[in-house]
Amino acid sequence: AQTVTQSQPEMSVQEAETVTLSCTYDTSESDYYLFWYKQPPSRQMILVIRQEAYKQQNATENRFSVNFQKAAKSFSLKISDSQLGDAAMYFCAMKGGSEKLVFGKGTKLTVNP
Amino acid sequence: NAGVTQTPKFQVLKTGQSMTLQCAQDMNHEYMSWYRQDPGMGLRLIHYSVGAGITDQGEVPNGYNVSRSTTEDFPLRLLSAAPSQTSVYFCASSYGTHSLEQYFGPGTRLTVT
Repeated sequence: AQTVTQSQPEMSVQEAETVTLSCTYDTSESDYYLFWYKQPPSRQMILVIRQEAYKQQNATENRFSVNFQKAAKSFSLKISDSQLGDAAMYFCAMKGGSEKLVFGKGTKLTVNP
Repeated sequence: NAGVTQTPKFQVLKTGQSMTLQCAQDMNHEYMSWYRQDPGMGLRLIHYSVGAGITDQGEVPNGYNVSRSTTEDFPLRLLSAAPSQTSVYFCASSYGTHSLEQYFGPGTRLTVT
């Protein structure tokens, strides 16, 4: 079975600062994909960034980057230069050999002005 | 493209009532799925379909039925609503098994009293 764990139910950051959201996972698959989704108050699920497990290089999308530690089964999200619009629920998710996407329980990020 | 659409956006049911949550996509996606989102639980997979005429159970299928008669539509049926089914429901779709990105609908907030 695949599991995704987000150990931080809530996090806060000052505007323009950097914050890191943690995620660990467990799978027996050798080929899998990892994702971070953002869910703002509008409820819409927005894909922030994704990482293929076979790639050693950490994915980056503008102010969002990941620290992928395959041996430790860790996949953290770093948000640089935090903006008020980054306030949202963030979900870590994993997709293994099947079509199924498995989600963590989420981290609520608050951005303080 | 309208993407993934869901109707209704909000619904209140009495215990024992039945209803169907509608989901449609206009991207010719093979894979469609239903999730429910509860506070502190993340998103959990209810049912999914890998193509017209094919459906399978996810993590929390009890109390829900699905069918997939066309590529575009994937309705979720609650035959006898229970308060435990109060949740936000998301429909998602993707091109297929190896697609990296799932496209989510805007969600339906269901309350069962």
